[in-house]
This record gives sequence, C-alpha cells and structure tokens, in this order.
Amino acid sequence: GNSVTQMEGPVTLSEEAFLTINCTYTATGYPSLFWYVQYPGEGLQLLLKATKADDKGSNKGFEATYRKETTSFHLEKGSVQVSDSAVYFCASNNAGNMLTFGGGTRLMVKP
Amino acid sequence: EAGVAQSPRYKIIEKRQSVAFWCNPISGHATLYWYQQILGQGPKLLIQFQNNGVVDDSQLPKDRFSAERLKGVDSTLKIQPAKLEDSAVYLCASSLDRDRGNIQYFGAGTRLSVL
Repeated sequence: GNSVTQMEGPVTLSEEAFLTINCTYTATGYPSLFWYVQYPGEGLQLLLKATKADDKGSNKGFEATYRKETTSFHLEKGSVQVSDSAVYFCASNNAGNMLTFGGGTRLMVKP
Repeated sequence: EAGVAQSPRYKIIEKRQSVAFWCNPISGHATLYWYQQILGQGPKLLIQFQNNGVVDDSQLPKDRFSAERLKGVDSTLKIQPAKLEDSAVYLCASSLDRDRGNIQYFGAGTRLSVL
C-alpha cells in the first residue's frame, strides 16, 4: 500500500523567511499528490495538488513539484507570513481515491 | 456552496459507552469517507462509501465500529463500546466520485474524548 513520510515539526520561522517542508512517498501505480492545511480549530483544506510526474501545484504562494525520480513532493514558499501558521499534511491517493496522509508538520511563523 | 457538515463538534463519554457521529456531504457528492485523526498524527481512513454501498472498510475495527449511508447521502459512524484509545477527531470527507482526480472536501470534524 501507499505510505507518506514528511518532516517532523514544529518548524519555527520568522516572517518573510523561506519555507521547505519535505515529503516523500511510496506507492504502487501513479498516485496523485496533495498538500492539505489545517488551521487551528478548522478542518482540513486542500492547499495544492499534482496529478502526474513533473506537475507543479501552486496556491497562495505555496508550490510543490511531483518528482517521480526522487518520489518527493516538497512544499515551498518564498516568504511566509504569520497567517501561514498551521499544520501541513502531505498525502497521496490510490486508484480508488483513498488518501494516505503523512504525520503532519506544524509551522509556526513569528512576527 | 455548503461544505461538509458534521455534528456534534465535541463529545465526551466514558469508556464502554456508545457514541454516534453524523455527516452530511456536499450535495451531489457520490463518495463519502470517514477518517480517524489521533492527536499529533495524520488522518487514517476508516471507511469509504460510494452512494449507499461500502467500497472499502478494511481499516474499520468492526468489532466496535459501524457505519452506514442508507440513502446514499447522510452517513452515521458509531462506536460501541468505546475504548480510551478511540479518543480522536473523526473527520468526514466527500468527493464527486471515486476517480483519482477528484478532490476530497473535509468537514470540521468531531472531537471525541473517552474518559
């Protein structure tokens, strides 16, 4: 079955710093890859996705590129804001669209 | 467009009691999912429905957990009897269909505390 591994947090950054959260996956077949975000007290929201190798997903200044050769989908943002403080989850799906999540990475951005 | 609705938001019970959670998916979404999210971990899929049929329940502890989606819309997840390790947030999600490209939309979840 699928598995997803992402870097443990918390990640603490100052405002305007560069963000990278690493994510690697194992899967049979060709999964789609996702980043979901969970703000305090809220449900999971889709941040971005990529459906095939070399696709780049982007949203709200965040980007991630589907790298088949390294089985990775690292999340990046050039300049984080305090409002980006949240827990970020990397996920992959299978042919039946069932998601497998990583353990989550808490990001704290200080002003 | 209304999102995925879940109730209650919070529930506190004692071990060996029973509890039920309710989910109303986005209108027109054929596929419904229940996930369990233990504190500090990523969500884990418990069961997937397509309309009113179960597609996958391989991760559902069937000795105590049950779920139904009788009319292919709302769904109920039940735990009977609850154990301490069932303390978690139970998330419901829905998608238009089961194809790999379909995005899952999540509700706010029900936080269960078993004492």
